[in-house]
Amino acid sequence: DAMVIQNPRYQVTQFGKPVTLSCSQTLNHNVMYWYQQKSSQAPKLLFHYYDKDFNNEADTPDNFQSRRPNTSFCFLDIRSPGLGDAAMYLCATSRDSRAKNIQYFGAGTRLSVL
Amino acid sequence: GQQLNQSPQSMFIQEGEDVSMNCTSSSIFNTWLWYKQEPGEGPVLLIALYKAGELTSNGRLTAQFGITRKDSFLNISASIPSDVGIYFCAGLPSGGGADGLTFGKGTHLIIQP
Repeated sequence: DAMVIQNPRYQVTQFGKPVTLSCSQTLNHNVMYWYQQKSSQAPKLLFHYYDKDFNNEADTPDNFQSRRPNTSFCFLDIRSPGLGDAAMYLCATSRDSRAKNIQYFGAGTRLSVL
Repeated sequence: GQQLNQSPQSMFIQEGEDVSMNCTSSSIFNTWLWYKQEPGEGPVLLIALYKAGELTSNGRLTAQFGITRKDSFLNISASIPSDVGIYFCAGLPSGGGADGLTFGKGTHLIIQP
C-alpha cells in the first residue's frame, strides 16, 4: 500500500489561476518535502516542513507556498501559476535521523498550465 | 550549492548485459541513496549507503559508498526489460537531519531486446 499519497495525479490549471496540490503520509514521519521536477531533469527541492517548522529554499519563488495542518498532510499552493511552473511535483517524507535519513517519495502530481 | 556529477547520462544496452553508473561530488556526503524513476511515477528507493566503503546489494543491484565519501557507483547485473528507467543518485551532506536531497542528473537506461 502506498505510504506517501499525492492527489491528484494529474492537474490542469489556467495561467494565473491558483492551484493546490495535496500530499498525505501514513508513516508518521517528522519531515515532509516538496520537490519540483521538470522534464528530463532531477528533482529540485522547493521547501520542507520539520514538524511545524517551515524551511524555504533560497531560490524558491514567492509564488510557491506550503501548509502543513497536521503530521499527515502537507499542501503545495501555487498562487499564480505561470507556463514555466508546468512540471511534476513530488512530495517526500523522512523520519529525522542524523544517521539514516531516507526519503520516501509519492507518485507525484503532474501539473499542466494552459 | 553542492552538485553531483552522474554519468553516463544515458545507456543503450542489450538485455542480459551488466550496467554500471556512478556519481561524484566535490564535497563530502554522509549518505548516498540510489533511486529509480519510471515515467509518470515518483522515485523509488533502491539502495541506501551510510558508511564509507560500504558495499550493499539488493537482488541484481549492487552499490558502493566511496572511501573518500565523495562518490558512489551502482551496478546492475544481467539486465532485464523491467530495468528500464531513470536512475538517480542522491546525497545527504554531512550532518544529515532534515536536509533535502541533492540529486544527480540521472542515468537513462534503455534496454534493447
